[in-house]
Amino acid sequence: KQEVTQIPAALSVPEGENLVLNCSFTDSAIYNLQWFRQDPGKGLTSLLLIQSSQREQTSGRLNASLDKSSGRSTLYIAASQPGDSATYLCAALYNNNDMRFGAGTRLTVKP
Amino acid sequence: EPEVTQTPSHQVTQMGQEVILRCVPISNHLYFYWYRQILGQKVEFLVSFYNNEISEKSEIFDDQFSVERPDGSNFTLKIRSTKLEDSAMYFCASSDVGREYNEQFFGPGTRLTVL
Repeated sequence: KQEVTQIPAALSVPEGENLVLNCSFTDSAIYNLQWFRQDPGKGLTSLLLIQSSQREQTSGRLNASLDKSSGRSTLYIAASQPGDSATYLCAALYNNNDMRFGAGTRLTVKP
Repeated sequence: EPEVTQTPSHQVTQMGQEVILRCVPISNHLYFYWYRQILGQKVEFLVSFYNNEISEKSEIFDDQFSVERPDGSNFTLKIRSTKLEDSAMYFCASSDVGREYNEQFFGPGTRLTVL
C-alpha cells in the first residue's frame, strides 16, 4: 500500500534556527514528490516539486531533497522566521495519478 | 499570478441534498483534480480529469460523486445525495502537464458541512 509518513508531527523552534522536516514513502515508484504549505483553514500552497529523476530542488530559504531508493525526502528551512509557522505537507505522485499525502508537520517558529 | 479559485468558500447543506462545488482552474492548465480533507485527517485524492473525461479516480469517488467541465473555465464536483461523512474541505487543483512534471496548484477550498 502506498503510504506517506511525516515526522515529527509537530515542531517548535526559536526564530533563526535551521530545521529539517522529514517525509517517507513506502512505494518508491513515484513520479514526483511535492512539498506544500497549509495555513490554518486555508488551501495548499506549492513550495517545491522534485521530479523522480532529481535529487534536490531549492527555492529561497527552502531546499528539498529526494532519495527514491530509501523512500525519503527532506525539507530544509534555513533561518526560520515566525511567518514560516504553518503545516508542511509532502505528497508523492504515483503512476495512477493518485497523489498520496502525509499527515503534515505543524511548525511553530517563536519570535 | 494565476490561481485556482473555488466557490463557495463554505457550503452548509442537509443530509440527502445535492451539492455542486465549483472551481475555476488556472486558464492554460489541462489537468484537473479534486481532493478532500476531513477535519484532522490527511488530504485524500478523489479524481483526476483530462480531455473531458475522468482519467483516474479513487475508491472514495463512488456513484454519488460526479465531475464535469460544463464550459471552458469551470470544473465542478457534484455530490448527489450528501451524507454526514461527506463533511470535509474539498480542494480543486490543476496542472499544465501530467505525470513527472505535474506540479499541482490548489485552490483555497470549499468547506462542506452536512447537517
